[in-house]
Amino acid sequence: AQSVTQLDSHVSVSEGTPVLLRCNYSSSYSPSLFWYVQHPNKGLQLLLKYTSAATLVKGINGFEAEFKKSETSFHLTKPSAHMSDAAEYFCVVSDKVDYKLSFGAGTTVTVRA
Amino acid sequence: EPEVTQTPSHQVTQMGQEVILRCVPISNHLYFYWYRQILGQKVEFLVSFYNNEISEKSEIFDDQFSVERPDGSNFTLKIRSTKLEDSAMYFCASSEDSGVGSPLHFGNGTRLTVT
Repeated sequence: AQSVTQLDSHVSVSEGTPVLLRCNYSSSYSPSLFWYVQHPNKGLQLLLKYTSAATLVKGINGFEAEFKKSETSFHLTKPSAHMSDAAEYFCVVSDKVDYKLSFGAGTTVTVRA
Repeated sequence: EPEVTQTPSHQVTQMGQEVILRCVPISNHLYFYWYRQILGQKVEFLVSFYNNEISEKSEIFDDQFSVERPDGSNFTLKIRSTKLEDSAMYFCASSEDSGVGSPLHFGNGTRLTVT
């Protein structure tokens, strides 16, 4: 069965500094990996996805993630945090055996002025 | 950009009552889903729906739960007799196809509170 572990439940950064959200996955078959963001009182918005093409994936709002098979990781980064990046971020996996999305527990990002 | 819309945003009900959560998926999408998130826990899969029938459901989705696409636009989740532990945020989602790389588009959720 597939699963996702988000290594940090809460990340706090200063505006203008880099953001790193860590995600490790477990999957028996070639996985697809996603990052979703949830702003307060909003739905889950897709940030980016990896589906076996380029291992470095660029998403919306300046975010990117790198798929590293050897490390079973899919960490999310952004070079310079903005106040509007304050939200909860979910790493999500699905694979050819289990198409259902499996969510990580989420990482809450706060951005300090 | 097309959106998945869910109503109501917040529903309060008494234990034992029936509730219907409503969703309007993106119009050209064919696959529909319900997920839920109990406060402090992970987002969990409930059910997927395609071609007017359930394609997959989780252990959570017992006989209390049902889904329906009553017309060409709405997709509903019914809980027949609510329990306290059904209190959660319920997310509807839709996708164009069911391939493993197909992203789901989620609504803003309905927060269900059972008292």
